[in-house]
Amino acid sequence: EDKVVQSPLSLVVHEGDTVTLNCSYEVTNFRSLLWYKQEKKAPTFLFMLTSSGIEKKSGRLSSILDKKELFSILNITATQTGDSAVYLCAVELSNSGYALNFGKGTSLLVTP
Amino acid sequence: SAVISQKPSRDICQRGTSLTIQCQVDSQVTMMFWYRQQPGQSLTLIATANQGSEATYESGFVIDKFPISRPNLTFSTLTVSNMSPEDSSIYLCSVEVGGPPLGNIQYFGAGTRLSVL
Repeated sequence: EDKVVQSPLSLVVHEGDTVTLNCSYEVTNFRSLLWYKQEKKAPTFLFMLTSSGIEKKSGRLSSILDKKELFSILNITATQTGDSAVYLCAVELSNSGYALNFGKGTSLLVTP
Repeated sequence: SAVISQKPSRDICQRGTSLTIQCQVDSQVTMMFWYRQQPGQSLTLIATANQGSEATYESGFVIDKFPISRPNLTFSTLTVSNMSPEDSSIYLCSVEVGGPPLGNIQYFGAGTRLSVL
C-alpha cells in the first residue's frame, strides 16, 4: 500500500525561527513529490520535486528531495505569522492517472 | 496555472438530501479530480473525472453515492447523494496543468465546506 508520512504533525514556533518539515514516502511508480500550503480551504502550490538533490527555492521557503532514502524536507527560514498553515506533502503516482496521494499534513503555528 | 471556480463555497444540508458541487476552469484541461477532506484529516481522492466517459473511482467510493459529470474540458460536477452527517467534509476539485518550466502540477479550487445535519 502506498504511504506518505509527514512529521511532525504539529509545530509551534516563534517568529524568526527556522523550521524543517519532513515527508517520507513508500510508493510504487513514483512520478513527483509536491508541497502545498493550506490556510483555509484551498491548498496552494509551493514546490514540485522530481530529481534528487536539487533544491527548489522560493523566498524564505526551500525544499529538496532524496529519492534514494525516499524523503523530502521543506525548510522555512525567518518564519512569520503569515506562515501559519497546514503544510501538505503529496506524491504523484504515474500509474493512477496522475492523482495525488497526500500525507496527513504538518500544522505550523508561528507566534509573535 | 489555472483559475478554478468552485461553488457553492459552503452549504448546510439535511440528511437524506443531495448536493451538487460545480467546478469551472478558465482553460481546457485533460485531468480533473475530486477530493474529500474530512475534519482534521488530509485530502483523499474520490475520483478522476473523465471527459466523455464515466469517472474512475477510488476504493471506497462508488458512483451511486458520488455521481460525477464531465461534459467538457472546462467543467465538472460532483453530487453527494443521500447525505448523512458522515459526509460533512470539505470537497475540492483540482486540475492538472502542464508544461515547462514547472511540469505537470495540480491546482485546487477553493473547496466546498459541507455540513450535514
